[in-house]
Amino acid sequence: DAGITQSPRHKVTETGTPVTLRCHQTENHRYMYWYRQDPGHGLRLIHYSYGVKDTDKGEVSDGYSVSRSKTEDFLLTLESATSSQTSVYFCAIRDGLAKSHTDTQYFGPGTRLTVL
Amino acid sequence: GQNIDQPTEMTATEGAIVQINCTYQTSGFNGLFWYQQHAGEAPTFLSYNVLDGLEEKGRFSSFLSRSKGYSYLLLKELQMKDSASYLCARKDSGAGSYQLTFGKGTKLSVIP
Repeated sequence: DAGITQSPRHKVTETGTPVTLRCHQTENHRYMYWYRQDPGHGLRLIHYSYGVKDTDKGEVSDGYSVSRSKTEDFLLTLESATSSQTSVYFCAIRDGLAKSHTDTQYFGPGTRLTVL
Repeated sequence: GQNIDQPTEMTATEGAIVQINCTYQTSGFNGLFWYQQHAGEAPTFLSYNVLDGLEEKGRFSSFLSRSKGYSYLLLKELQMKDSASYLCARKDSGAGSYQLTFGKGTKLSVIP
């Protein structure tokens, strides 16, 4: 258990509304990630963070922004939600501890977002 | 690109052995992960291969051939609870080492 929680777990919203998803971790990991998962596409990276206030874009970043003001929290914002952003969103942390040479990513439980 | 290919679906019988293949482009490659994902749940880590050869963990084994751009996940003594999607993901070297690129996943159905 990598101590990752996501909130909310489910959300239904309307097109054009802003939405913020929260990822919270308790183990002081430096790297955090946001993915979306859609049928036929697999997991795709939206944004990631390599420290407080340090973020970068992933493969599918258009329409999304992120913020990381504290080590433990990584927020994903959809400024104006669209139906194409209906998806399951997973947060992940990278286990970069010295004892681990693999830099394995561990995932939170996911948020199911529906945009009507 | 960093295309990763794996079969979309597979079916196997309880108690049998199944091999799930994953191929990838070798340029920039560092290592390969396998994850298991049950329906409606998050992916969970199964294995990581960085050297050529077979790594065994109980009923699950993972193989890597770096020169051929090929990996497989071998599941022995299949159980109904092994019905899940299996995701392979590559880790690149250098500047790309902090990211993983995932295949689309293989949905395995275990039948009685």
